[in-house]
Amino acid sequence: KAGVTQTPRYLIKTRGQQVTLSCSPISGHRSVSWYQQTPGQGLQFLFEYFSETQRNKGNFPGRFSGRQFSNSRSEMNVSTLELGDSALYLCASRHEGEWETQYFGPGTRLLVL
Amino acid sequence: LAKTTQPISMDSYEGQEVNITCSHNNIATNDYITWYQQFPSQGPRFIIQGYKTKVTNEVASLFIPADRKSSTLSLPRVSLSDTAVYYCLVGPLGGGADGLTFGKGTHLIIQP
Repeated sequence: KAGVTQTPRYLIKTRGQQVTLSCSPISGHRSVSWYQQTPGQGLQFLFEYFSETQRNKGNFPGRFSGRQFSNSRSEMNVSTLELGDSALYLCASRHEGEWETQYFGPGTRLLVL
Repeated sequence: LAKTTQPISMDSYEGQEVNITCSHNNIATNDYITWYQQFPSQGPRFIIQGYKTKVTNEVASLFIPADRKSSTLSLPRVSLSDTAVYYCLVGPLGGGADGLTFGKGTHLIIQP
């Protein structure tokens, strides 16, 4: 069974631009969560989607948004990029009810200049 | 999710057994203890999970004392490839509203 895939793997943007990242979960997983990882703040929860609906949201500004499609694929968007948005963005999928066994993708490394 | 405290870093040598302890004094009755491993530029990977006493799988063992206020991840006969960051997480099963809270983790460095 294929793992979680994320595209692109690397991205360079400039301040003020917007970016869209994509995540394809493991087949059969309907829950997709997004995390931001930085050296200073560690790994922080952005939001979770289940059946095309945002179910939970972390403490991030409204510039960070996401959506999920009927095939469970998910995208996250960051508008008006700031230097501090430079990070590794990780997507994770899981079976509903299996909190502990989240399967993470390799991440998208975003650099904002 | 309950707050956890782990050592920031640890060093060991190939072939040794490594024990990483995590403190979680405010663990709730319905909380489980889960450990993840993360290599550079990769997403975290689930290692092991337990509720009490001892759990063992092909990768590691997890020891949880009766009061459950701490837990110890044991990695037998480590190799260079075990160099990674190890995260201890505490929370309920069935989905957490705030996602997974990872903390800073323990950076384990294995030397030849």
